[in-house]
Amino acid sequence: DTAVSQTPKYLVTQMGNDKSIKCEQNLGHDTMYWYKQDSKKFLKIMFSYNNKELIINETVPNRFSPKSPDKAHLNLHINSLELGDSAVYFCASSQLGGSYNQPQHFGDGTRLSIL
Amino acid sequence: QQQVKQSPQSLIVQKGGIPIINCAYENTAFDYFPWYQQFPGKGPALLIAIRPDVSEKKEGRFTISFNKSAKQFSLHIMDSQPGDSATYFCAASSHGSARQLTFGSGTQLTVLP
Repeated sequence: DTAVSQTPKYLVTQMGNDKSIKCEQNLGHDTMYWYKQDSKKFLKIMFSYNNKELIINETVPNRFSPKSPDKAHLNLHINSLELGDSAVYFCASSQLGGSYNQPQHFGDGTRLSIL
Repeated sequence: QQQVKQSPQSLIVQKGGIPIINCAYENTAFDYFPWYQQFPGKGPALLIAIRPDVSEKKEGRFTISFNKSAKQFSLHIMDSQPGDSATYFCAASSHGSARQLTFGSGTQLTVLP
C-alpha cells in the first residue's frame, strides 16, 4: 500500500481555471505538508497542518488554499491558475509528536502544467 | 534568502567512484540534517540523517560528515553504482519550526557503468 498518495499524478489545464489536488496518508501521522518543486528542482515548503490545524503558511499567493478534513487528508485548491503555477507539487507527512526527528514521507507528486 | 547552500549542481562519476556532495547552512538553530534521494517521477525519499552532536554517520555505502563549527555537512557515497544515479537534496530543520524542512538546491548525480 502506498504510504502517501496524491491524485491526480498529472494535471494539465488552462490559465484562469480552478483545480484541486488531493493527498492521503495511511501512516497514522499527525502532520502533513505541501511542497512546490519548480523547473530547477528546487523544493520549497508551502503549508503544513498538524491535527487539522494550519501551522506553517509560507509566502504563498492566497489563490492557494489548503484544506484538511481530517488527520489523514490534506488537499490543495488553486484558484485562477497562472503560468507560474506550473510545477510539481508534493505532499508529505510526518509524526511531530513522536520521537526525535521523525522523517517526512513524500508522495510521488502531481505535475501541474498550465497552458 | 537561501539558508542551505548545496554544491555541486551536477556530478558525474564512474562506477566505483566516491561522489561527494557538500552543503552549508546559516541558521545555527538547525538541529536536524537529513539527506533525501529523488528518482525521476518519484518523490524525495529519506536516505540518511544526522544530528549536530555527532561528526559522522554511516549507513551502508552512505556517509554523512558534519562540521558544526564550519556549519557544513557532506554526503559521501562509497562504491557508487549506476542505480545511485538520482538527484540528492540536503535539508535542515529546527525544533521550533514545526520541523519545517529547508532544502538545498539539489545535486544531479550520474554514475556511469
